[in-house]
Amino acid sequence: GNSVTQMEGPVTLSEEAFLTINCTYTATGYPSLFWYVQYPGEGLQLLLKATKADDKGSNKGFEATYRKETTSFHLEKGSVQVSDSAVYFCALSDRSGDSSYKLIFGSGTRLLVRP
Amino acid sequence: KAGVTQTPRYLIKTRGQQVTLSCSPISGHRSVSWYQQTPGQGLQFLFEYFSETQRNKGNFPGRFSGRQFSNSRSEMNVSTLELGDSALYLCASSQGQKNTEAFFGQGTRLTVV
Repeated sequence: GNSVTQMEGPVTLSEEAFLTINCTYTATGYPSLFWYVQYPGEGLQLLLKATKADDKGSNKGFEATYRKETTSFHLEKGSVQVSDSAVYFCALSDRSGDSSYKLIFGSGTRLLVRP
Repeated sequence: KAGVTQTPRYLIKTRGQQVTLSCSPISGHRSVSWYQQTPGQGLQFLFEYFSETQRNKGNFPGRFSGRQFSNSRSEMNVSTLELGDSALYLCASSQGQKNTEAFFGQGTRLTVV
């Protein structure tokens, strides 16, 4: 079945450092890909998405490019802030039947940014 | 536009009891999905409802059930609670098509004692 693999955390960075969180996927067809972020005690917030190969999603300084040839969707940010400390989830949309879609999530990567 | 609202935020129940969680989706969204989040298993799909019909179901026992009303609000029910049902239950609202994103509520934290 379809699956998502994320790098193990936690990732600890100093403020203004460059961030990369690796995400690879296994899927039949061409799923949409997403990054969600979860702050302590909260639900998931959509960070960015890409719907087809070579699409780049971006939001709040975060970027990720849908790479079909390497089945990857790595999250990057040029300069992290303390407020970016959270858990980040990579996900794909998995089709079931004629029209239903569900999200398949990676295990999450905790990011801790120190001042 | 109001976001996804889940109630209650926190629940404590005893083993063997049953519980009902509620989710109000974003206005205009017809699809509601439920996910269970635990430290050990991560985020797992429970089921999806679209226009009052269950379209998709995850790999959970029959103790987990749900429904959707004509106004798209959804409830999920867990009967005969077990300690392992302790989790954060998240509801996601979307338009129900492939490329549309899902918007999540803040979740209901269920603790079974």
